[in-house]
Amino acid sequence: QVQLVQSGAEVKKPGASVKVSCKASGYNFMSHAIHWVRQAPGQRLEWMGWINSASGKTQYSQNFQGSVTITRDTSASTAYMEVSGLRSEDTAVYFCARSRSTYMHDDFDIWGQGTLVTVSS
Amino acid sequence: EIVLTQSPGTLSLSPGERATLSCRASQSVSSSYLAWYQQKPGQAPRLLIYSASSRAAAVPDRFSGSGSGTDFTLTISRLEPEDFAVYYCQQYGSSPLTFGGGTKVEIK
Repeated sequence: QVQLVQSGAEVKKPGASVKVSCKASGYNFMSHAIHWVRQAPGQRLEWMGWINSASGKTQYSQNFQGSVTITRDTSASTAYMEVSGLRSEDTAVYFCARSRSTYMHDDFDIWGQGTLVTVSS
Repeated sequence: EIVLTQSPGTLSLSPGERATLSCRASQSVSSSYLAWYQQKPGQAPRLLIYSASSRAAAVPDRFSGSGSGTDFTLTISRLEPEDFAVYYCQQYGSSPLTFGGGTKVEIK
C-alpha cells in the first residue's frame, strides 16, 4: 500500500524549531519528489517547497525561504521539514505530498495525514 | 506568482444535482498543469483531476475537468452524499506552486 505517514502533533513555544517527518512506504522513494504544504486554520493550502528525493535538490517558496529546511534520508525512505523561529502565525497543519514524478512541476497524487503544529507561549 | 481565484465560495446543492466549480488564473497556466483536489474535514486533500482533465486513479467518472489557459472547470455530474466537501484547484506549471481559495460544496 502506497502511503506517507507523518510524525505526530507538536506544541512549541515562539522562537523554537520543529521538525516533521514523512515516511514513505509501498513505492520506490527515489522515484517521486516530496512537497510540503501548510494549511493554517481557515486558510487556503500553501505550498512551502519540495525536494527531489533522488538528488536532494530543493526549492522553497519565497514566503518560507530562510525559515524552512527540507531534507531526506534515502536509507529510511523519509523526508523531513524543519521550521525555525516559530511564530504564532505558524500554527497550522503541515502536509507532505508525493509528486507524480521526480520533478517539481507535477501534481500531488499521495498525501500524508497531516501534522498539527501549535505555537503558543 | 499565479493567483488562482475559485468561484463560487460556497455552492449549496442537493444530492443528485450537478455542480460546476470555476478556477480562474491570473496568468496562463503552462501546459494545462492544473489539478483539482477534494478535502473533507480533518482529512488530507485527495487528488481528483490532473493536467486539467485527466481523472486520477479510482476517481468516479461523475467527476470531470476541463479548460485551458486561464479558465478551468470541475464538474460533478450528479452529487453523491460523499461529494459534499471543499474543492481546491492548484497550478503546478510555475513556481511557486499555488492553490485556489477553495469552493465548499454543501448540502442544501
